[in-house]
Amino acid sequence: DIQMTQSPSSLSASVGDTVTITCRASQSISSYLNWYQQKPGVAPNLLIYAASNLQSGVPSRFSGSGSGTDFTLTISSLQPEDFATYYCQQSYSSPYNFGQGTKLEIK
Amino acid sequence: QVQLVESGGGVVQPGGSLRLSCAASGFIFSTFGMHWVRQVPGRGPEWVAFIRNDGSNEHYAESVKGRFTISRDNYKNTLYLQMSILRPEDTADYYCARDFDAYTARFEIWGQGTMVTVSS
Repeated sequence: DIQMTQSPSSLSASVGDTVTITCRASQSISSYLNWYQQKPGVAPNLLIYAASNLQSGVPSRFSGSGSGTDFTLTISSLQPEDFATYYCQQSYSSPYNFGQGTKLEIK
Repeated sequence: QVQLVESGGGVVQPGGSLRLSCAASGFIFSTFGMHWVRQVPGRGPEWVAFIRNDGSNEHYAESVKGRFTISRDNYKNTLYLQMSILRPEDTADYYCARDFDAYTARFEIWGQGTMVTVSS
């Protein structure tokens, strides 16, 4: 199984800041990496697919990069609605594991 | 609009069974692969099972293999998860999720979830 490790597990930032979340796969997954945002009490929402492609309707302040084993999600000019938990997920091979999450909190 | 609505969750004793349903609307159900994903409150999501658009292929997480069965009825636009020999560690919110296409493992659309509690 491919294990996904995110860092940091939590992050404090202010509105207007730029933040970066890292995701590492235990083996190469090419660009088969997706990012999700989850707010309390609702299902996750797809933000980025195939490492760097913005899902329709997602603001352009979200961006993703990486390939192989190391990936990043960057959120520029943080908005109040961006404070949530973020998960990476590999779609390279079954089981399609998620990272443990990064909780982004308001400083 | 595109929508997935789960039902069937509840409280069940260890060793018991439960069948979850996921009603799809707003898209051509028979052209998309479908998944079940579960999440213990406060923890990350866990992929549970997948079924291809035409039902020809299924995959399961090792933790549920042999106990859970995913199926679909493309005439009723409904996805199912038959859960048997339930364990306390199966307690979670269960979401159905639509794939990008027949089989990409990209979870584009999610339902609102249904809670399953396994407890005596």
